[in-house]
Amino acid sequence: EIVLTQSPDTLSLSPGERATLSCRASKSDTGYYLAWYQQKTGQAPRLLIYATSSRATGIPDRFTGRASGTDFTLTITRLEPEDFAVYYCQQYATSPYTFGQGTKLEI
Amino acid sequence: EVQLVESGGGLVKPGGSLRLSCAASGFTFSDYTMNWVRQAPGKGLEWVSSISRTSADIYYADSVKGRFTISRDNSKNSLYLQMNSLRVEDTAVFYCATGHGSYHYFNFWGQGSLVTVSS
Repeated sequence: EIVLTQSPDTLSLSPGERATLSCRASKSDTGYYLAWYQQKTGQAPRLLIYATSSRATGIPDRFTGRASGTDFTLTITRLEPEDFAVYYCQQYATSPYTFGQGTKLEI
Repeated sequence: EVQLVESGGGLVKPGGSLRLSCAASGFTFSDYTMNWVRQAPGKGLEWVSSISRTSADIYYADSVKGRFTISRDNSKNSLYLQMNSLRVEDTAVFYCATGHGSYHYFNFWGQGSLVTVSS
């Protein structure tokens, strides 16, 4: 099983700032098969990024994903008020399709 | 517009059974891998099960293997999750979600159905 560890657990920033969220995979088998989701309170998750760096339909270009080996990063430039939420990474390289524990982005 | 609507959740006693349904519309259901993902109250996301377009390939998380059964009916644009031998730790909101082609990332999500297992 591929374990994903996200850091930090909580990130406190202000609108207009830059956020950097990390996700470390326990195995290199992950390849580029990594996705990022945003979840707001009381809502279903929303796909942001797939294949490490491809933005899903309708996702603004202030969301960027990249990888360095088994370390994956989601960067949000110029935070908007609606960006404050919980973010999850997920690997889909191999079953079980595991999620990270989440990073809460708060004001 | 893609729509996924889950139903069938509710309160059930430990050891009981429940069947979740997910009605799909707005896309060609038979073209998509389908999935169930759950979220315990106040916790993170957990993938539960996936089923390929023709039902030929089915996968389960170890936590539900042998107790849950995923199925689909492409003629009815519907996805199902039969849950038996339910445990308190199965309490969660269950989401159905589309895959993308044969890839198991989750493109579109339903609003979720709450399953509560309690005596």
